[in-house]
Amino acid sequence: SQQGEEDPQALSIQEGENATMNCSYKTSINNLQWYRQNSGRGLVHLILIRSNEREKHSGRLRVTLDTSKKSSSLLITASRAADTASYFCASDNAGNMLTFGGGTRLMVKP
Amino acid sequence: DGGITQSPKYLFRKEGQNVTLSCEQNLNHDAMYWYRQDPGQGLRLIYYSQIVNDFQKGDIAEGYSVSREKKESFPLTVTSAQKNPTAFYLCASSTDWGGTQYFGPGTRLLVL
Repeated sequence: SQQGEEDPQALSIQEGENATMNCSYKTSINNLQWYRQNSGRGLVHLILIRSNEREKHSGRLRVTLDTSKKSSSLLITASRAADTASYFCASDNAGNMLTFGGGTRLMVKP
Repeated sequence: DGGITQSPKYLFRKEGQNVTLSCEQNLNHDAMYWYRQDPGQGLRLIYYSQIVNDFQKGDIAEGYSVSREKKESFPLTVTSAQKNPTAFYLCASSTDWGGTQYFGPGTRLLVL
């Protein structure tokens, strides 16, 4: 069963534009994490936001969390061609294992 | 050079054959995980282990088996009972339950 669902499933933008990806989840969480996957590779952890946090920044990444709506968003500012990848949210639902969503495939055109 | 490794990168399975995918980590992590990823899809949990000599079934354990005899190693066997094994298999580890997971590079399994 998938706890998180990403939206959109695919996103295509020009270099320099911002990219926003959304994630919804179903049950209460301890934290929510975002991962990146380049084609044919393993996942790389980007950022973790705890249930008592509302916003977190890391470089060009900004993550928000709205526990009342059970949703999170990942914003990548000033995107680069190298940001082309799939992005996954993963929720830690209160003592259970991480559950990954289906991912957003981001294409950044040079 | 710390990290998590998987081998082989590509694996071919014949009908009725069992194959074993290797996963090793030198991060001193207690928890380890196996996921299956189908093309264009997210990750589905096959098995996980919170500590050595213990492991639990995930969402799609049928046709798979694991062992955790050493902290560093968590091999996955794809048995002949798994009728649709073609997929990308990812191993991960974490210091604790629900924390950040560190992934290996993956093994792509193909059926001949």
